[in-house]
Amino acid sequence: DTGVSQDPRHKITKRGQNVTFRCDPISEHNRLYWYRQTLGQGPEFLTYFQNEAQLEKSRLLSDRFSAERPKGSFSTLEIQRTEQGDSAMYLCASSDTGGRSDTQYFGPGTRLTVL
Amino acid sequence: EDQVTQSPEALRLQEGESSSLNCSYTVSGLRGLFWYRQDPGKGPEFLFTLYSAGEEKEKERLKATLTKKESFLHITAPKPEDSATYLCAVSNAGNNRKLIWGLGTSLAVNP
Repeated sequence: DTGVSQDPRHKITKRGQNVTFRCDPISEHNRLYWYRQTLGQGPEFLTYFQNEAQLEKSRLLSDRFSAERPKGSFSTLEIQRTEQGDSAMYLCASSDTGGRSDTQYFGPGTRLTVL
Repeated sequence: EDQVTQSPEALRLQEGESSSLNCSYTVSGLRGLFWYRQDPGKGPEFLFTLYSAGEEKEKERLKATLTKKESFLHITAPKPEDSATYLCAVSNAGNNRKLIWGLGTSLAVNP
């Protein structure tokens, strides 16, 4: 069990550029989540996959954000036409459907800075 | 509306000085309450899941307890390496996939 991994760890971009982040979940986990976190706040839910199906998407997520999980393994989160307000830590988590609850295990995050 | 409130916002302890962090919650049917530790610039690290009132779990110097309205994270004889932000989250029976988060307690342990 290597844990959840995310790439890149840091991304600096200019306003208006597109960025893409990757998340590799724990191998046996079929659920994958994306969150956004700003300083002093708890993680904010963005979207969730079960296998390759995107089952829920936050109403806060504008149409500039898109996420995919094409084969039910890794996932990508793309932000188009970035804005300064998109600067945040983007977190990925995974869980499995077995057991009593849906404990989510987080990756190290991708820190995005939009200049 | 489901809500999680953590207190205090910040806590400074001397090494060896035990204390407790509080997580009060309002949720329409608790499915699970989760404690995480987060170091600056890193993702949350899972600590505990509690399911029902009266349940307790321990790990090294940490002990988590749960009642019908709140959870406590007790820290016994803390060390400087316990300094971090401690986050509490709940999931409800209707939607156990989406966690409702508190703002966290920032703990600093001085040597």
